[in-house]
Amino acid sequence: AQSVAQPEDQVNVAEGNPLTVKCTYSVSGNPYLFWYVQYPNRGLQFLLKYITGDNLVKGSYGFEAEFNKSQTSFHLKKPSALVSDSALYFCAVRDGLGGNNRLAFGKGNQVVVIP
Amino acid sequence: DAGVIQSPRHEVTEMGQEVTLRCKPISGHNSLFWYRQTMMRGLELLIYFNNNVPIDDSGMPEDRFSAKMPNASFSTLKIQPSEPRDSAVYFCASRPTGSSYNSPLHFGNGTRLTVT
Repeated sequence: AQSVAQPEDQVNVAEGNPLTVKCTYSVSGNPYLFWYVQYPNRGLQFLLKYITGDNLVKGSYGFEAEFNKSQTSFHLKKPSALVSDSALYFCAVRDGLGGNNRLAFGKGNQVVVIP
Repeated sequence: DAGVIQSPRHEVTEMGQEVTLRCKPISGHNSLFWYRQTMMRGLELLIYFNNNVPIDDSGMPEDRFSAKMPNASFSTLKIQPSEPRDSAVYFCASRPTGSSYNSPLHFGNGTRLTVT
């Protein structure tokens, strides 16, 4: 079964500094990886995904993520954080083995950008 | 595009009562998912439908939970009887018809359920 680990409960970063949110995954087949963001009292919004090809994927709001197969990681990054980036970030994975349609989410990381 | 619409936004009920959560997916979306979010367990998939048919309900916690999708524009998640441990935020999400399994999900704003 697929699973995702987001090791840090909360990430604090000063505005203007680089932001990194960590994610590692476990699958049996090929991994299909996603990042979603959740603002207070809202549903999750899609940020970006890795399916195949270039290991560095770019998404919405200046975010990018790097797929690292050897480390089974898919960390989310932003070069310069904004206060408005403060939110809950979820990593998710789908296992490509067996036509699996289930998307497994991590527990989420609260990002706090300090002005 | 009004997005995925869930109702009610908040529900407070007493233990033992029946609770019904509602979801209207985006028009043209034929896959519908129900998720539950708690601090302890994060986001869990309860059940998903494809073309109104339940495909995978292995995440439904127990017989007290049931979900239906009578047509392409409406789904319900029912808890009967409700218990305090059911308190959570319940999300509905949908995905466009014909899209791949890797297409993004579109989430509603959720229903916050409190069972006292």
